[in-house]
Amino acid sequence: GQQVMQIPQYQHVQEGEDFTTYCNSSTTLSNIQWYKQRPGGHPVFLIQLVKSGEVKKQKRLTFQFGEAKKNSSLHITATQTTDVGTYFCAGPDSWGKFQFGAGTQVVVTP
Amino acid sequence: EPEVTQTPSHQVTQMGQEVILRCVPISNHLYFYWYRQILGQKVEFLVSFYNNEISEKSEIFDDQFSVERPDGSNFTLKIRSTKLEDSAMYFCASSAYRGLTDTQYFGPGTRLTVL
Repeated sequence: GQQVMQIPQYQHVQEGEDFTTYCNSSTTLSNIQWYKQRPGGHPVFLIQLVKSGEVKKQKRLTFQFGEAKKNSSLHITATQTTDVGTYFCAGPDSWGKFQFGAGTQVVVTP
Repeated sequence: EPEVTQTPSHQVTQMGQEVILRCVPISNHLYFYWYRQILGQKVEFLVSFYNNEISEKSEIFDDQFSVERPDGSNFTLKIRSTKLEDSAMYFCASSAYRGLTDTQYFGPGTRLTVL
């Protein structure tokens, strides 16, 4: 079945630095969604990408959907302590079930 | 801003007991979902529900699980005979349209502890 993989699993970042987290699917996705979960919180929708090669920006966050619609990335510039949390990508499989990646846990050191 | 609510926030139960987790989705949404997240692990899809019936379900959603929309506002997940491995955070979510292409809004979750 479809698998959604994310790397890295953990990301330690110095405040002010940039980093990127990657999401890869074993199958082509109709769309991909990104969620952020703060420690002790619930997943909160960030963005959805639908088109091949699509790039969307939200302030310091840049999301990209690969040309083959099998991978995606989230790039954060000038990391702040408010960026702490786990970032999940999620995409629907061919059976309509939403598969989440394992997430990238981001820790920011001041 | 409308939000998904869930009760209780924490449920402790003995192994073998039945539990019902409750959710109130956003009022004009049509699609409802349950997910679970074992501590430190990823969010796992359990089931989706539309038009008073299950649309999709995962391998996790076996005969021990059932969902119901008993009235116009509540959406429940029942676990008939809880096992230790059912201990997890259970999230309800809803979307206006089919979740494959629409934003899913998650509730705050119910932490289920099975002793």
